[in-house]
Amino acid sequence: NAGVTQTPKFQVLKTGQSMTLQCAQDMNHEYMSWYRQDPGMGLRLIHYSVGAGITDQGEVPNGYNVSRSTTEDFPLRLLSAAPSQTSVYFCASSARGGSSGANVLTFGAGSRLTVL
Amino acid sequence: AQSVTQPDIHITVSEGASLELRCNYSYGATPYLFWYVQSPGQGLQLLLKYFSGDTLVQGIKGFEAEFKRSQSSFNLRKPSVHWSDAAEYFCAVSQGQGLTGGGNKLTFGTGTQLKVEL
Repeated sequence: NAGVTQTPKFQVLKTGQSMTLQCAQDMNHEYMSWYRQDPGMGLRLIHYSVGAGITDQGEVPNGYNVSRSTTEDFPLRLLSAAPSQTSVYFCASSARGGSSGANVLTFGAGSRLTVL
Repeated sequence: AQSVTQPDIHITVSEGASLELRCNYSYGATPYLFWYVQSPGQGLQLLLKYFSGDTLVQGIKGFEAEFKRSQSSFNLRKPSVHWSDAAEYFCAVSQGQGLTGGGNKLTFGTGTQLKVEL
């Protein structure tokens, strides 16, 4: 059982380049989300999705784009990378609501991005 | 808007000593509260959660937390710390159950880095 898989684990970009961070889950979770982690700031929500074809913005969405064409995949796109986007990115997923598992997020191992 | 405060950035304890990590939240309704642990270079692992009911919740690795509504707190405790507990600990709050209205969105605190002295 792989859980939540993120690729790549490490990436270095130059300012202005674009790239996509991949996230895939094999638990048939409806909910998926992307967070970024910066020192002294905890984790902040970038975008989230409550199901295929449905996405919405989180706390810090600027500079990022997402889509959800399948239940399993939720890629995060950086359209024109900036040094301020240097961070560790975490993808997470969870099951639909109800007492059996709502709100319990399963996290991927993270993707460390450096923008020069 | 909901928020979470972890007032201690760093805490150092001796192995075998007791531990308490503080967490205060700000949220208008009944919160859903979580503690996650992150080892260096790793993702986040759920330690425990509070949804409702008994205000003292037990988690993995011998951790427990107590929800105190009057103090808006959800402090994490462990009676005897092991060297392997050295990690960063995050408290988080959610809007509520289910997917409607983004109920699975978490607001995290800034984390507490735990160091264990042998």
